[in-house]
Amino acid sequence: DAGVTQSPTHLIKTRGQHVTLRCSPISGHKSVSWYQQVLGQGPQFIFQYYEKEERGRGNFPDRFSARQFPNYSSELNVNALLLGDSALYLCASSLPGAGETQYFGPGTRLLVL
Amino acid sequence: LAKTTQPISMDSYEGQEVNITCSHNNIATNDYITWYQQFPSQGPRFIIQGYKTKVTNEVASLFIPADRKSSTLSLPRVSLSDTAVYYCLVGDAGGADGLTFGKGTHLIIQP
Repeated sequence: DAGVTQSPTHLIKTRGQHVTLRCSPISGHKSVSWYQQVLGQGPQFIFQYYEKEERGRGNFPDRFSARQFPNYSSELNVNALLLGDSALYLCASSLPGAGETQYFGPGTRLLVL
Repeated sequence: LAKTTQPISMDSYEGQEVNITCSHNNIATNDYITWYQQFPSQGPRFIIQGYKTKVTNEVASLFIPADRKSSTLSLPRVSLSDTAVYYCLVGDAGGADGLTFGKGTHLIIQP
């Protein structure tokens, strides 16, 4: 079975620009979460979506937004990019339930210049 | 959210068994304990998850004492390719706050 896929793998943007990152969950998984990982730190939770509804949001500014589509894929949008947004953006999918386990994709490396 | 404490780094040698202990004194009744492995510039890879006692799969074992205030990830006969960062997480991935990652344990395996 294919795992979580993310696109693009790498991206370079300049300050003030907008970026859209995409994620396809494992087949059958209905929940998608987004995380930001800056160098040397653990991943930080941004959003979680389940059945196209936002189920949770981390401590990130409103410049960050996301959505989930009927096929359970998801997009993460970041507006007005700042240098500090440079990071590895990770998507994880899961099947809701007790002991829900998230499976991560390879990530998208974003560099803001 | 229950906070976890684990060693910043550990060293071992090929062929040895490695045990990484994680403290989680404020674990809640419905919290599960999950361990991930991460290589540089890759997404975290799920290793093992447990609620109580012992869990074993093809790559690791997870030991959880009765009070659940700590857990130990055991990696049998490590190899150089086990050099990675290992994260201990406590909580519910389906919760509104997502998963809370700390800085993890940087495990270095030497020949």
